[in-house]
Amino acid sequence: GAVVSQHPSWVICKSGTSVKIECRSLDFQATTMFWYRQFPKQSLMLMATSNEGSKATYEQGVEKDKFLINHASLTLSTLTVTSAHPEDSSFYICSARDEGAGSSYNSPLHFGNGTRLTVT
Amino acid sequence: DQQVKQNSPSLSVQEGRISILNCDYTNSMFDYFLWYKKYPAEGPTFLISISSIKDKNEDGRFTVFLNKSAKHLSLHIVPSQPGDSAVYFCAASASLIGVRGGADGLTFGKGTHLIIQP
Repeated sequence: GAVVSQHPSWVICKSGTSVKIECRSLDFQATTMFWYRQFPKQSLMLMATSNEGSKATYEQGVEKDKFLINHASLTLSTLTVTSAHPEDSSFYICSARDEGAGSSYNSPLHFGNGTRLTVT
Repeated sequence: DQQVKQNSPSLSVQEGRISILNCDYTNSMFDYFLWYKKYPAEGPTFLISISSIKDKNEDGRFTVFLNKSAKHLSLHIVPSQPGDSAVYFCAASASLIGVRGGADGLTFGKGTHLIIQP
């Protein structure tokens, strides 16, 4: 089945540094990928929609300059947390639909395994 | 505003019995609902879904029921097995682009931690 690979699985960084998280669709192409964030015991919250070859669409309340998204190819989207602070510590997950199998809203999303970010 | 609600943070069920996980939603624009299963340190995996034109969808041990008038859905697992122990997320989407969390993505509940006891 469709596989989404996310890297790194966990990262610890110092406050003020930037962290890049990669999301790859391994056996399918995805013009659209989604980035979610999950706080402990909370929902997965959609942060932004990554669009190949164009600007990402950010959800209300998500700072686009803080969370830089680049979708340079049909199989790779990156999320960069710039000037990270302790409040950015969270679990970040990306997802994508297998567009070869149909990209309608009712096609299941395939998720990466997530990245645990800890900012000290 | 929580548009998808899972009011039970955890549920403990004996092996072999039925597990029933509940989910409520508030946005009437949602017309497609999914259940995801998540193990620790892994991403969610798709389990089963249902369109709003149906009230029941069954796949093996898993059945999802949808009550549109009550804006309520439930996931039934029968019989429950130890490997079913995980966090279950209810999610919703809408066919209309622009609905928050709709075609652009999914709106998730907070999840219910299901524990199957031997």
